[in-house]
Amino acid sequence: DIVLTQAPLSVSVTPGESASISCRSSKSLLSSKGITSLYWYLQRPGKSPQLLIYQMSNLASGVPDRFSSSGSETDFTLKISKVETEDVGVYYCGHRLEYPWTFGGGTKLELK
Amino acid sequence: EVLLQQSGAELVRPGSSVKISCKASGYTFTDYYMHWVKQRPEQGLVWIGRINPANGNTVYAEKFKSKATLTADKSSNTAYMQLSSLTSEDTATYFCTRSVYWGQGVMVTVSS
Repeated sequence: DIVLTQAPLSVSVTPGESASISCRSSKSLLSSKGITSLYWYLQRPGKSPQLLIYQMSNLASGVPDRFSSSGSETDFTLKISKVETEDVGVYYCGHRLEYPWTFGGGTKLELK
Repeated sequence: EVLLQQSGAELVRPGSSVKISCKASGYTFTDYYMHWVKQRPEQGLVWIGRINPANGNTVYAEKFKSKATLTADKSSNTAYMQLSSLTSEDTATYFCTRSVYWGQGVMVTVSS
């Protein structure tokens, strides 16, 4: 199975400042179709996960452009600029390259 | 509007089975795979498997092959997951998800 390792485990950010979360994959997530199968999710407290980013760098519908993602075939970064109160929660990276889908362990974002 | 409405919380005895549901609306049920994800309390996301509602074809993560059974009823646009031989390790919230869209989750508590 593909292992996704996230860092840091938690991040504390002042509202209005930026935050970055990294995700490293044990295998290239570049598919034979040229798509990088890396996804980012936010799970707010007590809620279901919400898709933020699909195929490494594409913003899901309704997600503010304060969120962005980039990376290579195995190393990825989610950046949140001008952090707001609604951004609090746990961020997960995940892949859909093959079965089983796997997820990173999560990064908890808190406000200072 | 796409909605995935899951059944209510379950309290079940160790050794028993439970069947939870996920009723889909707002799209053609047979056009998209339905995936199931497990989240133990304060833990991360674990992919259980997926079903193709059009033909019932299933794929499971290895560790769930003896634990979970996925089915789908095209007549009612509902996906089901049955969990068998329940133990405390199965106490978790279970989500159905159609990629972007997620159900609200079902909390299954295994306790005597």
